[in-house]
Amino acid sequence: DSGVTQTPKHLITATGQRVTLRCSPRSGDLSVYWYQQSLDQGLQFLIQYYNGEERAKGNILERFSAQQFPDLHSELNLSSLELGDSALYFCASSVGGGQVDTNTEAFFGQGTRLTVV
Amino acid sequence: QKEVEQDPGPLSVPEGAIVSLNCTYSNSAFQYFMWYRQYSRKGPELLMYTYSSGNKEDGRFTAQVDKSSKYISLFIRDSQPSDSATYLCAMTRPGGYQKVTFGTGTKLQVIP
Repeated sequence: DSGVTQTPKHLITATGQRVTLRCSPRSGDLSVYWYQQSLDQGLQFLIQYYNGEERAKGNILERFSAQQFPDLHSELNLSSLELGDSALYFCASSVGGGQVDTNTEAFFGQGTRLTVV
Repeated sequence: QKEVEQDPGPLSVPEGAIVSLNCTYSNSAFQYFMWYRQYSRKGPELLMYTYSSGNKEDGRFTAQVDKSSKYISLFIRDSQPSDSATYLCAMTRPGGYQKVTFGTGTKLQVIP
């Protein structure tokens, strides 16, 4: 168990709908990252929050947004859902800013499988 | 062309075999190289981390980086059924995890 908790594990929703994915980072971790994983694209970085503030943005669509709350849990909001948004969404957390060059590991949750029908 | 290419497999081997998993990349700025293991219905977990060229060994696992050929490998010796998983390579320039580029993963099945 990585210590990162994601809910729900599975979500099935219709096109055009809005959903919220939730992530609780490991105790003490200040950074939260959101990734999308699809079969053909692999893991794609969406957005990072550090101690409540947006730190970095990746390939995140305008229909998607995220926030990190004072208790450090994070939510990823996906709206106007399309069939192509069906994927696994992972949250990861790390101590501090998570610098790879200092070998600071990012720990991944089990993911939320989103199916848009 | 993707920055990181990884054969999706699946790769099936008998228990006890030596497994070789590989990735090629095009960005010569990559300096940090990682291998993640992802079991079915789980998130990726870091297996090996290497900096620049060379070999790194951890138990039955050896990570190899050849920057001149832009080629990295993960070798698994004495493979076990518990090694059955998808293996993702990942690499980056110096910086945070937002800069990491992941391969699409190779699915490995070790048959008892």
